[in-house]
Amino acid sequence: DVKVTQSSRYLVKRTGEKVFLECVQDMDHENMFWYRQDPGLGLRLIYFSYDVKMKEKGDIPEGYSVSREKKERFSLILESASTNQTSMYLCASSSPGGSNTGELFFGEGSRLTVL
Amino acid sequence: AQSVAQPEDQVNVAEGNPLTVKCTYSVSGNPYLFWYVQYPNRGLQFLLKYITGDNLVKGSYGFEAEFNKSQTSFHLKKPSALVSDSALYFCAVRDFTGGGNKLTFGTGTQLKVEL
Repeated sequence: DVKVTQSSRYLVKRTGEKVFLECVQDMDHENMFWYRQDPGLGLRLIYFSYDVKMKEKGDIPEGYSVSREKKERFSLILESASTNQTSMYLCASSSPGGSNTGELFFGEGSRLTVL
Repeated sequence: AQSVAQPEDQVNVAEGNPLTVKCTYSVSGNPYLFWYVQYPNRGLQFLLKYITGDNLVKGSYGFEAEFNKSQTSFHLKKPSALVSDSALYFCAVRDFTGGGNKLTFGTGTQLKVEL
């Protein structure tokens, strides 16, 4: 089975702190994604990556950055956390679009609270 | 831009009755459509997808979805609901822009199945 592992299920941070959310997948997928989930807004794409050291902005990249140094790992970074970044963060991966239809495999999520 | 809409925030149904969770889409070209389910404090799980072919798609846990091109809809259905089907359901469409393998999600519909 595909496994996408997010390192922290629950985090509590203070305003202004730097926050790292880590995601690892074990299926050798090229594509990895970070979404945030908020009630009434569904899932919104923050950043995604098609390959190592490559990144693309999604719909809401402001206040976030990402790092992909290894194929299996995709990190989301909040340089200076703010209260409006309190949310559920979901990591996902998939194999290239040419070889599949776009199905994503999700991690369990990281619930971040910024005080 | 590709988008999906889920017009109902919540759907209530009695156990044993049929259920429908609605989704409409707006795309340029042929749509790749997906349904995912999320149980409390968990990541999203893939239920089913429509790419091409038969308009009735069967998926996991007895769910099915009907693709209707003229109504631009992709409603999720189950003939007989179970209490354990209570969860948050997301419709999604593949976004091909920017060389993409991204999914754009709806806002979600909370399904509550009662005894």
